[in-house]
Amino acid sequence: DAGVTQSPTHLIKTRGQQVTLRCSPKSGHDTVSWYQQALGQGPQFIFQYYEEEERQRGNFPDRFSGHQFPNYSSELNVNALLLGDSALYLCASSFASLRDTEAFFGQGTRLTVV
Amino acid sequence: GQQVMQIPQYQHVQEGEDFTTYCNSSTTLSNIQWYKQRPGGHPVFLIQLVKSGEVKKQKRLTFQFGEAKKNSSLHITATQTTDVGTYFCAGDEDTGFQKLVFGTGTRLL
Repeated sequence: DAGVTQSPTHLIKTRGQQVTLRCSPKSGHDTVSWYQQALGQGPQFIFQYYEEEERQRGNFPDRFSGHQFPNYSSELNVNALLLGDSALYLCASSFASLRDTEAFFGQGTRLTVV
Repeated sequence: GQQVMQIPQYQHVQEGEDFTTYCNSSTTLSNIQWYKQRPGGHPVFLIQLVKSGEVKKQKRLTFQFGEAKKNSSLHITATQTTDVGTYFCAGDEDTGFQKLVFGTGTRLL
């Protein structure tokens, strides 16, 4: 079992550009959540995808969007990058049918905006 | 919106000393989870507490969930070098879906 995998591991982008981050959930998991973790802070919930639809969203602007594919993998897109978007982006997967269950995190994508 | 605070922000201990971090939520939680993150790593699940007043132990780690389901604590007995890292609590409100609100973290040095 490969667990949650994210790509790429590191990325450098210029302010104003767009970026796409990818996540493959743990085998059998159907729900993917994305988090942003700024340096020295706790992860902040961006949004969650289930059955290819966004079903919850945190306090992030519309520049942050996502997608879930039929195989449950997911993408996070960020448009018009700002310097403040520099952070570790974490993907977590879980079972929708198990309400109280741990979230499995990937190793993250470290995004640097210059 | 829901806020989860942790204290202290940092804690420096000598090997063998005990360590405790406290977590407080502004709202009642469905459950609370604890994660450990090593420098340069990602959060790794430690435990989940669901019931009011619940206490769980994992070797040297003791986790408690408050009676009102708004606060929690993690206590480590006789810390070891392998315990170094940042400990996060993550609260889940009863919204029907799992949505974790992470605390500010306590860094164990």
